[in-house]
Amino acid sequence: EDQVTQSPEALRLQEGESSSLNCSYTVSGLRGLFWYRQDPGKGPEFLFTLYSAGEEKEKERLKATLTKKESFLHITAPKPEDSATYLCAVRSNTGFQKLVFGTGTRLLVSP
Amino acid sequence: DTAVSQTPKYLVTQMGNDKSIKCEQNLGHDTMYWYKQDSKKFLKIMFSYNNKELIINETVPNRFSPKSPDKAHLNLHINSLELGDSAVYFCASSPTGTGDFSYGYTFGSGTRLTVV
Repeated sequence: EDQVTQSPEALRLQEGESSSLNCSYTVSGLRGLFWYRQDPGKGPEFLFTLYSAGEEKEKERLKATLTKKESFLHITAPKPEDSATYLCAVRSNTGFQKLVFGTGTRLLVSP
Repeated sequence: DTAVSQTPKYLVTQMGNDKSIKCEQNLGHDTMYWYKQDSKKFLKIMFSYNNKELIINETVPNRFSPKSPDKAHLNLHINSLELGDSAVYFCASSPTGTGDFSYGYTFGSGTRLTVV
């Protein structure tokens, strides 16, 4: 069964203090690893899709990387507006277009 | 214009009642989903419909019944509500087949269901 584990559960950073979030996965044939951002009271919003080990994608202060067992979301010089829950999900070769999610990392960036 | 819209946003009801949540998407997608998010933020798939056909039906009590009148709508009806049904329910949509799945799902803003 496909599984996704995210760590840490919660992370508190000072503004400008860079860090990384981890997403470890077990999947029967990876067809995509997705990162989403979720703000309180809202639905998850798409950030990145990664398909193969070694791939990297960037958007503003965020960079996502992928290996064969895990993905990292690096946050460089975060700002308070980056505070949110970050969710990782995988799509496998089976299960139609089912995304299996991790429990997320709650990020709080203080000014 | 909201891409995936759910109604209602909040739903408070008593145990044993029957309730429905509605979802509509205007993205032209042909696959829609229902996910349940528990208090620990864990999102778990419940159902998926592709062009009105049920594709994914996870281990969900049969008190939950999805209905898709057309590919732009997917409703969720819940019978005999229980305390454990309290959660946030998200509707989502995506393209299928030759469509571009590189953006994964587009989610609605969720329905917070509280059973008292």
